[in-house]
Amino acid sequence: GDSVTQTEGQVALSEEDFLTIHCNYSASGYPALFWYVQYPGEGPQFLFRASRDKEKGSSRGFEATYDKGTTSFHLRKASVQESDSAVYYCALGVSNYNVLYFGSGTKLTVEP
Amino acid sequence: NTKITQSPRYLILGRANKSLECEQHLGHNAMYWYKQSAEKPPELMFLYNLKQLIRNETVPSRFIPECPDSSKLLLHISAVDPEDSAVYFCASSQDYSNSGNTLYFGEGSRLIVV
Repeated sequence: GDSVTQTEGQVALSEEDFLTIHCNYSASGYPALFWYVQYPGEGPQFLFRASRDKEKGSSRGFEATYDKGTTSFHLRKASVQESDSAVYYCALGVSNYNVLYFGSGTKLTVEP
Repeated sequence: NTKITQSPRYLILGRANKSLECEQHLGHNAMYWYKQSAEKPPELMFLYNLKQLIRNETVPSRFIPECPDSSKLLLHISAVDPEDSAVYFCASSQDYSNSGNTLYFGEGSRLIVV
């Protein structure tokens, strides 16, 4: 079935470190891929999306490139800040319905 | 996010019945209920489009959705179970038929079952 896998459950970094959160998907065709961020006590917030091979999405210094060959959509940021501490979800939009399937989430903690 | 409002924000229930309410001010056609249990990702419960129920995932019958108009969504809960303790998010998107449409989420209603 359609699914998305995030390998890192938790990531701890210091400010100005480089961030990578891995996301791999399993789906037929060209699913839409999303990154959402969730701060404590809030709903998931849309970061960006991509819908076709080699398309890059970006927002607030975060970016990810849709790679159909490796079925990946890894999240990267060159220099994280303490305010980036949150849970990051990779999500998959499939089929004829606009239903999002979320990965398990990655909790990012950035120390000052 | 004041464009999707949910009430109540917190709810403590025994075995009473209660309803969660959601209203979106984005002019979207599709509305969703998602459930997020502790330390888990959100999971779809129901999807409505223009007041019609489109998707109904495997959800206990004690959860009954209602969509009185395209900007409002309700979730009626009866005889809750401890496993129902979670945050319930309302979300909306422009429509339901394109998997690339972005979903926007409300701030959630936290249900605690005692």
